[in-house]
Amino acid sequence: DTEVTQTPKHLVMGMTNKKSLKCEQHMGHRAMYWYKQKAKKPPELMFVYSYEKLSINESVPSRFSPECPNSSLLNLHLHALQPEDSALYLCASSQVDQGYGEQYFGPGTRLTVT
Amino acid sequence: KQEVTQIPAALSVPEGENLVLNCSFTDSAIYNLQWFRQDPGKGLTSLLLIQSSQREQTSGRLNASLDKSSGRSTLYIAASQPGDSATYLCAVKGWDSNYQLIWGAGTKLIIKP
Repeated sequence: DTEVTQTPKHLVMGMTNKKSLKCEQHMGHRAMYWYKQKAKKPPELMFVYSYEKLSINESVPSRFSPECPNSSLLNLHLHALQPEDSALYLCASSQVDQGYGEQYFGPGTRLTVT
Repeated sequence: KQEVTQIPAALSVPEGENLVLNCSFTDSAIYNLQWFRQDPGKGLTSLLLIQSSQREQTSGRLNASLDKSSGRSTLYIAASQPGDSATYLCAVKGWDSNYQLIWGAGTKLIIKP
C-alpha cells in the first residue's frame, strides 16, 4: 500500500475560523511533510517531521501549527489565516533511512480562505 | 545553489507518439532525482526515482534516464495516450539535505486524441 490519504478534500474557511487538515499513511514511513502549492507552481516545503518530532520549519507563520500525534498521522492546525493562504496543501511521507528515499504524496486539501 | 529547469513549459502532441520531457540541473552532486505527475487540482504521483548511481529506471511505458555529468534527466513516454495528459515535475535531492527537494516548474503535457 503506497497510499497517503488527506482529509478534507476541500475546505472553505473565514479568517477568524480554526480548522485542521489531516494526513494519514500506513507505509511505516517515519518522515512526514507538509507542502503548500499555489496554482502553476511547484510545491513549497513547510514542515518536516522525523520520528514524530518536528525537524524542519521553513519559516512558516505561526497561524499554521503542525502536529504529529503518532507515526501514521500528521495534522495541520489553521487559525487566523489570510486570503493569500488559499492554496493546495499536500502531505507526503518517506522513509528516514537511506537518505529519506522516495516521497509519496497525498491527493491534497484545496483550501480557500474568505 | 541548485537550480532545476524544465523545458518546454508546455507540450502538445498527437496520441500514439513517443515523446521526451527534459529536466536540467546546475549542480551534478545530486543524491537522487524523482519524476512526478500531477493532474489538475490533484496531488502528485511519484513515477520514477533514480539514484545518483543509476543511469535509468523503467516503469511500463515510462523510462527515465540520468546523466549527472551533463546535468540532465529525461522522461521518455512511449506510445502516448490521452490519459497521459498532466503536468510532469522533476525534483532533485542533494547530498546536503535529507529532506529538501529542489523542484522544476513542470511541463504541462497535452495528448490530443
